[in-house]
Amino acid sequence: GAVVSQHPSRVICKSGTSVKIECRSLDFQATTMFWYRQFPKQSLMLMATSNEGSKATYEQGVEKDKFLINHASLTLSTLTVTSAHPEDSSFYICSARKGRTSGAVTYEQYFGPGTRLTVT
Amino acid sequence: AQSVAQPEDQVNVAEGNPLTVKCTYSVSGNPYLFWYVQYPNRGLQFLLKYITGDNLVKGSYGFEAEFNKSQTSFHLKKPSALVSDSALYFCAVRDRNNAGNMLTFGGGTRLMVKP
Repeated sequence: GAVVSQHPSRVICKSGTSVKIECRSLDFQATTMFWYRQFPKQSLMLMATSNEGSKATYEQGVEKDKFLINHASLTLSTLTVTSAHPEDSSFYICSARKGRTSGAVTYEQYFGPGTRLTVT
Repeated sequence: AQSVAQPEDQVNVAEGNPLTVKCTYSVSGNPYLFWYVQYPNRGLQFLLKYITGDNLVKGSYGFEAEFNKSQTSFHLKKPSALVSDSALYFCAVRDRNNAGNMLTFGGGTRLMVKP
């Protein structure tokens, strides 16, 4: 299989604090991970693409200093929401794509279960 | 640029009836096409994909989709709907020539299957 986990599943934090969300590929190596944001009843919006060992590529309009992404290993990427504000409250979903070392590139992205962030 | 359109916000169907969830796409080159399903407060689950070959793709849970190049469509279908199929469905496309390997998602279609 290709399982992606996210931790925590839910987090409530106070305005001004920072929150870290972890995304792990449990049974495969992910050279590329993606972070999405989903507002209620809306589609997923790509925030950034993260390649292992290099800086993340952010989509237009996404503040790189606010949403810090680290992809330090082939199985772990983290998203840190710094100085969170209520408008950052959302559902954050990561996905991972297998690298060539894990077999053929299938073009599929395997999604984590998501993290519900609520900033009070 | 690539884009995906899901023209219906919601599709209602009775259990046991066939269902169709529509998707049209736009890419500059040849597409890779995907369908995902999302249950409440959960991430996306992969249903099926079209990469190349047979235009009719069969996926998980009895779903299938047909790639129609002339109509730039990739509609999701199932012969007999189940109440448990009720969820949010997303179509996604990636241009084969997109070096960034990004997926672009449609707006989603909520499927409601009534007993």
